[in-house]
Amino acid sequence: DQQVKQNSPSLSVQEGRISILNCDYTNSMFDYFLWYKKYPAEGPTFLISISSIKDKNEDGRFTVFLNKSAKHLSLHIVPSQPGDSAVYFCAATGVGGTNAGKSTFGDGTTLTVKP
Amino acid sequence: DVKVTQSSRYLVKRTGEKVFLECVQDMDHENMFWYRQDPGLGLRLIYFSYDVKMKEKGDIPEGYSVSREKKERFSLILESASTNQTSMYLCAGGGFGEKLFFGSGTQLSVL
Repeated sequence: DQQVKQNSPSLSVQEGRISILNCDYTNSMFDYFLWYKKYPAEGPTFLISISSIKDKNEDGRFTVFLNKSAKHLSLHIVPSQPGDSAVYFCAATGVGGTNAGKSTFGDGTTLTVKP
Repeated sequence: DVKVTQSSRYLVKRTGEKVFLECVQDMDHENMFWYRQDPGLGLRLIYFSYDVKMKEKGDIPEGYSVSREKKERFSLILESASTNQTSMYLCAGGGFGEKLFFGSGTQLSVL
């Protein structure tokens, strides 16, 4: 059973507009959520995170929202830029339960920002 | 800057060969991880280690083993490579339940 799901394999947006990437999770023991960005032939790099005690975290153009009751988080990129074109992975981790210390990843969403 | 280094970017091996993938980190983190990435399947955890000489199975450990003799080095071993192990292998280090720092990856092709 997949514990972290990204239901949209791909997303295409126009430069300057908002990109919204979504992620759902099933394990209530997860208490820390992260987004990573990956370019082809490179390893993922950390982008932004949020603790389960918060519902929003902002860093420049990137904002992550967490809805614990719905077990849903989203990443907003405003404004989107062509350099944002990459694969975005949602990940969840925690310090308790069977997943303690491990990060569980979604399948990724390929974002394309068109000039 | 934090650095995780994987010894090879590209590897081509034959079915049945024993394959070693090496990873070194300079962060002084106890925790190191091996993932594989396949199209449409995201990153799947193979093995991880919380300390020297300690190892834990991840979600897909079959066909793999690991070695952690020194804190900074974590090796992934394919005992007898098979074509379904063709994949991108990613090593990472990080704190317990914290963000991960990844290497550049090793694209392994098993023919």
